[in-house]
Amino acid sequence: GAVVSQHPSRVICKSGTSVKIECRSLDFQATTMFWYRQFPKKSLMLMATSNEGSKATYEQGVEKDKFLINHASLTLSTLTVTSAHPEDSSFYICSARGQPESKNIQYFGAGTRLSVL
Amino acid sequence: DQQVKQNSPSLSVQEGRISILNCDYTNSMFDYFLWYKKYPAEGPTFLISISSIKDKNEDGRFTVFLNKSAKHLSLHIVPSQPGDSAVYFCAASTANQGGKLIFGQGTELSVKP
Repeated sequence: GAVVSQHPSRVICKSGTSVKIECRSLDFQATTMFWYRQFPKKSLMLMATSNEGSKATYEQGVEKDKFLINHASLTLSTLTVTSAHPEDSSFYICSARGQPESKNIQYFGAGTRLSVL
Repeated sequence: DQQVKQNSPSLSVQEGRISILNCDYTNSMFDYFLWYKKYPAEGPTFLISISSIKDKNEDGRFTVFLNKSAKHLSLHIVPSQPGDSAVYFCAASTANQGGKLIFGQGTELSVKP
């Protein structure tokens, strides 16, 4: 149980285009999902907390108009990188918070490697 | 301000021996701690966790120890296996933060045959 699927695993795009990344909880309902960014050999940096049916909560320094988050259902959250630029190239990872009995545990997707040319 | 710190970026251990990964934290409000294992280009995989009301939690080859007075936790892997080679992250959370996790920088474990 507690499987989180993230797509695509890798995307290469031209500067100025937008990229959408999907995060799905496959076998449980996730009222809360999280989006992280990881730079090479660095820790995971939380970008935003995504709550089903409400606006995402962004961490300080993260541009909400640049990184659009939609949590339309209990099993799906999407991150759209708008007007991507080379500095947005990174490894993006989503996670979903577990069921009440394991609510303190986050289960992670496999990540998306974004390369902006 | 790094609230969760893993001061050893790497650790090398012989197969069959014990691996000890350390983590320190500064926020006394943290009440739940987790360890994740991560391979390159993959998402972290949950390993083991511990509540602040406990000082030890064991699951198979993995044991997590928590020393609240020292604000220190450690992950013991015994016996270590080559397949354990990965980056290990410790993370911490507080009850009133909606499940947000604060991650350490990670320690890369290499288990040599």
